[in-house]
Amino acid sequence: GAVVSQHPSRVICKSGTSVKIECRSLDFQATTMFWYRQFPKQSLMLMATSNEGSKATYEQGVEKDKFLINHASLTLSTLTVTSAHPEDSSFYICSARGYWQGALRDTEQFFGPGTRLTVL
Amino acid sequence: GQNIDQPTEMTATEGAIVQINCTYQTSGFNGLFWYQQHAGEAPTFLSYNVLDGLEEKGRFSSFLSRSKGYSYLLLKELQMKDSASYLCAVVDSNYQLIWGAGTKLIIKP
Repeated sequence: GAVVSQHPSRVICKSGTSVKIECRSLDFQATTMFWYRQFPKQSLMLMATSNEGSKATYEQGVEKDKFLINHASLTLSTLTVTSAHPEDSSFYICSARGYWQGALRDTEQFFGPGTRLTVL
Repeated sequence: GQNIDQPTEMTATEGAIVQINCTYQTSGFNGLFWYQQHAGEAPTFLSYNVLDGLEEKGRFSSFLSRSKGYSYLLLKELQMKDSASYLCAVVDSNYQLIWGAGTKLIIKP
C-alpha cells in the first residue's frame, strides 16, 4: 500500500508547551488527511478531517483552537497541540487517502505509524 | 445513529481457527475494512469487502453480508504473533470510516 510517515514517533513535553506532529504521504497525493486519537484500550477516535488547501473539519467535542491542523500541500499535514496538558497524552495517528498509482482511492485510508505524546 | 459491534475480547489456541464477528448499522455503505493493530502501533490493513461473499488472503479470510449488516474475519493456523486487536471499520455514505471498538485476540500456546 501507499506509505504515510509521521514525525516524531514519540514526544515527551512539559505541561503548557505546544507540540507539532507532521504527517507525510511519501508516494501519493493525499487529497484528504485524517487525524485520530487513541487512548489505551480504546478504539480510534476521529478528531478532524482536512482537505488540501482548506480548513479542517473538526468532530464534535474537539477544540479547534487547541488542536490546530494545517494541510498546506498534497503531501503534508500538521497537527499542533497547543498548551498541552497531561490529559492530552495519547497516541495520535494520521491517515490519508487520495490518488495512488494513478487512481483515486476514495475508500481506503493509509495510516501513519502514530505519535505517542506524553505530557508531564 | 451509526453503530459497529464486535466482541471485546476473544481467546484462541495456537494452530486453531478463530472467527471474529462484526455487525454494523450505518448511514450508507461503501465497504468494510478489517485492520490489525498491535499494542502501541498504528492499524495495518488486512482486508476490504464491498460485495457480498468471502475474500481469502492466505491465513486470513473476510466475509460480508450487506443485507444482514454482518462481516467476519476468519484467522486460520493461528500463530502467537496474531495476538493483537482487530478493528472492523465501515465506510459510510460520506466516505468516512466508522470504527468498531476492536476485538482483542489472545493466543495461548
